[in-house]
Amino acid sequence: GQNIDQPTEMTATEGAIVQINCTYQTSGFNGLFWYQQHAGEAPTFLSYNVLDGLEEKGRFSSFLSRSKGYSYLLLKELQMKDSASYLCAPMDSNYQLIWGAGTKLIIKP
Amino acid sequence: GAVVSQHPSWVICKSGTSVKIECRSLDFQATTMFWYRQFPKQSLMLMATSNEGSKATYEQGVEKDKFLINHASLTLSTLTVTSAHPEDSSFYICSASGSGKRFSYEQYFGPGTRLTVT
Repeated sequence: GQNIDQPTEMTATEGAIVQINCTYQTSGFNGLFWYQQHAGEAPTFLSYNVLDGLEEKGRFSSFLSRSKGYSYLLLKELQMKDSASYLCAPMDSNYQLIWGAGTKLIIKP
Repeated sequence: GAVVSQHPSWVICKSGTSVKIECRSLDFQATTMFWYRQFPKQSLMLMATSNEGSKATYEQGVEKDKFLINHASLTLSTLTVTSAHPEDSSFYICSASGSGKRFSYEQYFGPGTRLTVT
């Protein structure tokens, strides 16, 4: 079957760095998306990885290892507004996104 | 980035009535639109996928006669919840993808519609 494994919840301090890990199993693979979702709102795009390695975009970076079925999202210089759920969503062979429950990130002052 | 709108943003209806939710892609042609449902603290659940001009493909367990989807144009898809019941109360989110955008298969999400059935 297809599944996503992410920590349910993480807590970090404002100004710090946090890494959210994601392991996945899919039928085929066409890249992996990371989305941010604030409570009561729809997801917004953060990153897309299709090749192995690190993609850096400002304070956010995303890493992918296809052979390990592993990705992580790295958030630097955390701000209070980063408190949200972070969704790892790999795309299977049918170009369908597979969704897990996401990781709820709590930022403390 | 691409803009996808949904209307209404929230709706309250009585049990047994029908509710229509609209999803529009405002600045690109959405060849594929997706409808999701999300209950509190749960993951997004894909309900159906629709391609412009074709019948929607429903996920297992989703009643196609209850959740009517129409994707009549490249910019508009509608979801009608027929004979709504309290257990249909949820957050309904549409997304759209199309060629010419940053990633062809990237899904751009609408802001969501919160449905409450009393």
